[in-house]
Amino acid sequence: ETGVTQTPRHLVMGMTNKKSLKCEQHLGHNAMYWYKQSAKKPLELMFVYSLEERVENNSVPSRFSPECPNSSHLFLHLHTLQPEDSALYLCASSQRQGPTYEQYFGPGTRLTVT
Amino acid sequence: QKEVEQDPGPLSVPEGAIVSLNCTYSNSAFQYFMWYRQYSRKGPELLMYTYSSGNKEDGRFTAQVDKSSKYISLFIRDSQPSDSATYLCAMSLTGTASKLTFGTGTRLQVTL
Repeated sequence: ETGVTQTPRHLVMGMTNKKSLKCEQHLGHNAMYWYKQSAKKPLELMFVYSLEERVENNSVPSRFSPECPNSSHLFLHLHTLQPEDSALYLCASSQRQGPTYEQYFGPGTRLTVT
Repeated sequence: QKEVEQDPGPLSVPEGAIVSLNCTYSNSAFQYFMWYRQYSRKGPELLMYTYSSGNKEDGRFTAQVDKSSKYISLFIRDSQPSDSATYLCAMSLTGTASKLTFGTGTRLQVTL
């Protein structure tokens, strides 16, 4: 595996379900990010982890709970989501003190909340 | 007012055409400007970046920044069907460890 991988690629869940999104980077980076991409909206930065410590949380509802057990893995735990949470969730990684533009994105998880 | 404005398209052009994609922004403190390309069912990938004002060329692609007008452009010469994708502009305040602020993306379709 190379680059940034995400699983699952597609997820359909009910509003009362609990599920998790997984991201893995194989680039030796020390920072990882969760973004939300909705139709006709800009990418929204949700969380930033640097050296496994959360350094940014952009007012994301508590029904989204990130976890970064090590510098290669990032999870997004989901519970009691709303239909408006349906979107493409993108993971990215970079060197925290490296160039800002060198963020490498995974293919995303397409989430549908029913 | 959105921080970054980008026409969502879709923009449809014939093969070989010159394509112009644009973004305007409101925060004059932005210093770094990027263009990402996102194919269907893929994540964004960095296409080009520029620092401050000026032009940068890479093959068929030219990125242009006009800080006085708060306006950035991406030109694609001799467009190919493989250029069909969504193009996202992004910008940041500093060059390292800085938040990226994205536009909504412009969907481009290059037809045969």
